[in-house]
Amino acid sequence: GQQLNQSPQSMFIQEGEDVSMNCTSSSIFNTWLWYKQDPGEGPVLLIALYKAGELTSNGRLTAQFGITRKDSFLNISASIPSDVGIYFCAGCSARLLNFGNEKLTFGTGTRLTIIP
Amino acid sequence: DVKVTQSSRYLVKRTGEKVFLECVQDMDHENMFWYRQDPGLGLRLIYFSYDVKMKEKGDIPEGYSVSREKKERFSLILESASTNQTSMYLCASSSPRDSSYEQYFGPGTRLTVT
Repeated sequence: GQQLNQSPQSMFIQEGEDVSMNCTSSSIFNTWLWYKQDPGEGPVLLIALYKAGELTSNGRLTAQFGITRKDSFLNISASIPSDVGIYFCAGCSARLLNFGNEKLTFGTGTRLTIIP
Repeated sequence: DVKVTQSSRYLVKRTGEKVFLECVQDMDHENMFWYRQDPGLGLRLIYFSYDVKMKEKGDIPEGYSVSREKKERFSLILESASTNQTSMYLCASSSPRDSSYEQYFGPGTRLTVT
């Protein structure tokens, strides 16, 4: 099955630094989602994007839906210790009311570590 | 508050054993999913279900089966556990009525097969 290429695989940064990660696909998606997984927990949704070119913010997080619909980007500004975790992108090719096709394809993940 | 629970956080089984992983959601969601998570590979879909008694294979169904007898419960079955099935297993649920396509995840079960 298809997987999304997510990079970088891991990041080691200092507190206060900005973070950028991206996700690319060989297929077009109609929705991009970004999840965060805290250690020992399941992933939790951070941001959802529904339109090519869309730029959406959630606090210090900003995500963009690529114009080609084959990529997405996530930026975290001024990182803090609680940003530590694994970030996953996910794409969905379903269209509204196209019931039965709401599967997500997940990226390989970016592990963020903050160096004291 | 939405809730997806998984029967065990940690499980240790022997090769050849039959293993049941249980997932329950309290959101009246139609869709339920089983993923496995491995370092560097992200989340890979094993099986999913759109309704009671309905199931469809995901990307890596070999060695697994599922059961959905009630809307709120989705079980993953390893018929004969093998060491290469040592992994983190995540259950999720969603609703087709939710246009965000968000899936809600349980905390995961870390399975070790020895």
